[in-house]
Amino acid sequence: KAGVTQTPRYLIKTRGQQVTLSCSPISGHRSVSWYQQTPGQGLQFLFEYFSETQRNKGNFPGRFSGRQFSNSRSEMNVSTLELGDSALYLCASSLAGATTNEKLFFGSGTQLSVL
Amino acid sequence: GESVGLHLPTLSVQEGDNSIINCAYSNSASDYFIWYKQESGKGPQFIIDIRSNMDKRQGQRVTVLLNKTVKHLSLQIAATQPGDSAVYFCAEAQTGANNLFFGTGTRLTVIP
Repeated sequence: KAGVTQTPRYLIKTRGQQVTLSCSPISGHRSVSWYQQTPGQGLQFLFEYFSETQRNKGNFPGRFSGRQFSNSRSEMNVSTLELGDSALYLCASSLAGATTNEKLFFGSGTQLSVL
Repeated sequence: GESVGLHLPTLSVQEGDNSIINCAYSNSASDYFIWYKQESGKGPQFIIDIRSNMDKRQGQRVTVLLNKTVKHLSLQIAATQPGDSAVYFCAEAQTGANNLFFGTGTRLTVIP
């Protein structure tokens, strides 16, 4: 069974640009969560989608958005990039989400560098 | 807000020794706790979890202990191996909320 797949693996952007990251969950998983990982802040929750609906959102500005498609694949978008957005963006999937206290399976992440 | 912190940012152990990684959490409403292992260039990998109605849970070479009175969580790794070298994160969650709050991580280095 394939794991969580994130593309691209690396991205370099400049300030002011926008970026879209993609995540394909494990087959059969309907919940997709996104996390930002930085050396200073650690792992921080961005948002979670289940059946194409955003169920929960972390404390990030509106420049961070996401969506989920009917096949459970998810994308996140960051507009008007800032230097501080440089981070590893991780996607995690589970059958139904942490509401039911299930394991999250993480992808390897997309390393975003903003210059 | 929630705060999940680790007592030690780094831990070095000799191969074959036991390792103990500690974690403090602040949200008394959290009822689900997880330990993740993250190796360089990879995403976090699930190790073991425990629910708040338990004090201890054992897996293969790993044991998680939960002390709700002092809001403390620990991960014990028996007979630590070089492959255990990684950053370990604890995370907490609350039933009804579908997001995890992660600690800052402890880097475990196993000395051969």
